[in-house]
Amino acid sequence: AQSVTQPDIHITVSEGASLELRCNYSYGATPYLFWYVQSPGQGLQLLLKYFSGDTLVQGIKGFEAEFKRSQSSFNLRKPSVHWSDAAEYFCAVEGRGAQKLVFGQGTRLTINP
Amino acid sequence: DTGVSQDPRHKITKRGQNVTFRCDPISEHNRLYWYRQTLGQGPEFLTYFQNEAQLEKSRLLSDRFSAERPKGSFSTLEIQRTEQGDSAMYLCASSLALAGGHGELFFGEGSRLTVL
Repeated sequence: AQSVTQPDIHITVSEGASLELRCNYSYGATPYLFWYVQSPGQGLQLLLKYFSGDTLVQGIKGFEAEFKRSQSSFNLRKPSVHWSDAAEYFCAVEGRGAQKLVFGQGTRLTINP
Repeated sequence: DTGVSQDPRHKITKRGQNVTFRCDPISEHNRLYWYRQTLGQGPEFLTYFQNEAQLEKSRLLSDRFSAERPKGSFSTLEIQRTEQGDSAMYLCASSLALAGGHGELFFGEGSRLTVL
């Protein structure tokens, strides 16, 4: 069955520290890959996406993600987090031709001052 | 504001009542999606429209749920005979997808349903 797994339900990091959020997927073929962020009272916002080509993709707000086919992973990273990065982060995939996103259960990020 | 708008933002109802949510997508977008999100979970796909045609429905969408997009613009999601398990955030998203390709989804802020 097609699935997306975010192993970490909640992560706490200190402001200025680096961040990595994990995402693994199970699909027959490499799907399209996405990371979204959801802040309280806000709609989901797209941070970045991978369709093909360079496996390291840059997104908004200083985020990047690396696609690793051998590990079926698409981990999100940021070198130095800011207090405003506190939010819920969702990895999502779309099977090629599927026309809909399948989301992971999310990782809640807390920033310590 | 030219984003996706949803109404109402919050609805509290008693079990057994009917509720309807409205979504106004970004005006030039041809696709419209409905997702449901429960506490601590990621959004789950319910259904999507390409213009006015409903092209896919999830098995999550029981026969108590119906969605329409009559003129290919706004959409409504109706839940009949609500149950406590229907309590969730209902998210709408729209996209401009060309020639069957992927278009970036833009999400609204959601309509939160509480069934007492």
